[in-house]
Amino acid sequence: QKEVEQDPGPLSVPEGAIVSLNCTYSNSAFQYFMWYRQYSRKGPELLMYTYSSGNKEDGRFTAQVDKSSKYISLFIRDSQPSDSATYLCAMIGYNFNKFYFGSGTKLNVKP
Amino acid sequence: NAGVTQTPKFQVLKTGQSMTLQCAQDMNHNSMYWYRQDPGMGLRLIYYSASEGTTDKGEVPNGYNVSRLNKREFSLRLESAAPSQTSVYFCASRRRVEETQYFGPGTRLLVL
Repeated sequence: QKEVEQDPGPLSVPEGAIVSLNCTYSNSAFQYFMWYRQYSRKGPELLMYTYSSGNKEDGRFTAQVDKSSKYISLFIRDSQPSDSATYLCAMIGYNFNKFYFGSGTKLNVKP
Repeated sequence: NAGVTQTPKFQVLKTGQSMTLQCAQDMNHNSMYWYRQDPGMGLRLIYYSASEGTTDKGEVPNGYNVSRLNKREFSLRLESAAPSQTSVYFCASRRRVEETQYFGPGTRLLVL
């Protein structure tokens, strides 16, 4: 079993929709949670970085962590065609140098 | 300020050949990382260097070696390339453990 599970999609939504992306994990030691966006043939870029449970908002993006359920989410409001990319979740546990990534969800926002 | 740079961008090797992937960062970051990305597998850590002068194995180190040449540069070497090492390789760096990683643009490697 992978430590971090993420639905690969693809997820196709119309422009303006609310998008929900999710990851589940098995290691209760994970304490820092991240979401990265990766455009085709580019390196991942950080979107959100949160610690422990709760919500964090940044513009149209909201990251949510539920440690009791071992479940994290990224919500994108008013989605735009420029949001079309692959979204990767990532986590760190006690070893701050070992990041565990989900396999990524491909999102397509249609104009 | 270029961030994290990687060379080459693309490489084709024959089985058994060797090569070194280069990574450099100009952000004065302490830690550097090498990942490989394969379809359906996400990013997997190969090796990392928490600080200049140290290196440690990640999740998938077999078949690779690394060198932290100085604070700026971290290279990944394939001594005898195998088709299973066909992948996209990303280098990343981080200033402090409280911060996250910044990634380079990647090197696409094809081993025939």
